[in-house]
Amino acid sequence: DAKTTQPNSMESNEEEPVHLPCNHSTISGTDYIHWYRQLPSQGPEYVIHGLTSNVNNRMASLAIAEDRKSSTLILHRATLRDAAVYYCILSKMAGSARQLTFGSGTQLTVLP
Amino acid sequence: DAGITQSPRHKVTETGTPVTLRCHQTENHRYMYWYRQDPGHGLRLIHYSYGVKDTDKGEVSDGYSVSRSKTEDFLLTLESATSSQTSVYFCAISERTISGNTIYFGEGSWLTVV
Repeated sequence: DAKTTQPNSMESNEEEPVHLPCNHSTISGTDYIHWYRQLPSQGPEYVIHGLTSNVNNRMASLAIAEDRKSSTLILHRATLRDAAVYYCILSKMAGSARQLTFGSGTQLTVLP
Repeated sequence: DAGITQSPRHKVTETGTPVTLRCHQTENHRYMYWYRQDPGHGLRLIHYSYGVKDTDKGEVSDGYSVSRSKTEDFLLTLESATSSQTSVYFCAISERTISGNTIYFGEGSWLTVV
């Protein structure tokens, strides 16, 4: 199984940019890179995903290395509400469906 | 919001009793999933469905069965609950977009087996 490696925890100051790294050296050509975040007692929330090119949406940006073996989730201005566990996940076709395999994620703490 | 409703949201049950969790979606998605989340394990896939009456096993399917008799409902059944099945269960749907598939999760069902 393709796996991802993330730091267990990171800290950021409020209103500063945050760069959350992820390594996925065993990624295959058809795997999408997804990022989800999860607040306590809530379901995972979709943040962003991409295949090869950098992606932007209203929540974040995703920078994907040229060799696709790593990626970085960028929160442009962290707020206290961004404190959560962030999961970097590879979306793979398995059986009849595209599936996500979650790792342990990065706990992001945002300091006021 | 992907129109996913899970029920019940919280349940306490006794060992050996059957339990059914329901996932209801309103947007006609073909793919539906059941995950469980436990401390130290992240989310793990139990079963998924790729259409009415079409289901397949995930990573941790032992002790669970599923059914999908109509597009909008995906049921997860614990035939005889055990304490090891105490967990948070998340239903999810897959939405196809021009940039690939995105999976959206429900709010979770907290199950305690005593």
